[in-house]
Amino acid sequence: GNSVTQMEGPVTLSEEAFLTINCTYTATGYPSLFWYVQYPGEGLQLLLKATKADDKGSNKGFEATYRKETTSFHLEKGSVQVSDSAVYFCALSGGYNKLIFGAGTRLAVHP
Amino acid sequence: ETGVTQTPRHLVMGMTNKKSLKCEQHLGHNAMYWYKQSAKKPLELMFVYSLEERVENNSVPSRFSPECPNSSHLFLHLHTLQPEDSALYLCASSQGGTGGLGWSYEQYFGPGTRLTVT
Repeated sequence: GNSVTQMEGPVTLSEEAFLTINCTYTATGYPSLFWYVQYPGEGLQLLLKATKADDKGSNKGFEATYRKETTSFHLEKGSVQVSDSAVYFCALSGGYNKLIFGAGTRLAVHP
Repeated sequence: ETGVTQTPRHLVMGMTNKKSLKCEQHLGHNAMYWYKQSAKKPLELMFVYSLEERVENNSVPSRFSPECPNSSHLFLHLHTLQPEDSALYLCASSQGGTGGLGWSYEQYFGPGTRLTVT
């Protein structure tokens, strides 16, 4: 079945460091791919998405490219801020009404 | 109010109590979802409602009973819960098509209800 695998956290970085959070997926067909972010005490928010191979989603300085050949959708940001500290979830569309989420990766950014 | 709201934000209940969680969406969506988020476990989809009809029930124990009286409101009725049911319960909504067509996978989440079962 469809599934998403994310790198285990926590990821701890200093402010202005480069961020990569790895995400790979297994799916039949051509799913859409998403990154959601959950700030402390809040629900999940859509961060970015890509709907077909080679699409790049971007938002708030974060980027991810839909790589069909490597079944990956890695999240990157060139310079993280303390305010980026949160849990990041990779997800794929698993059917006409489902999102399948990865386990989440906690990011902690220190000044 | 905008977006998706959930009440209460925190709930402590005994195993013999009956309580309900409420979710309301102000986005004009026609699909609503309940998720369970436990520590160190992936987000678990519990129920999906589309146009007020339940279309998904992922083997959730009967002590959880959802209700969707209209497309803006979703409830989760709880009774005789177990300590392992303690978790963050998240509600989400999205705009879906009919007959499985035109679904938007962009789900909008509420802040969750932190449930503790003692």
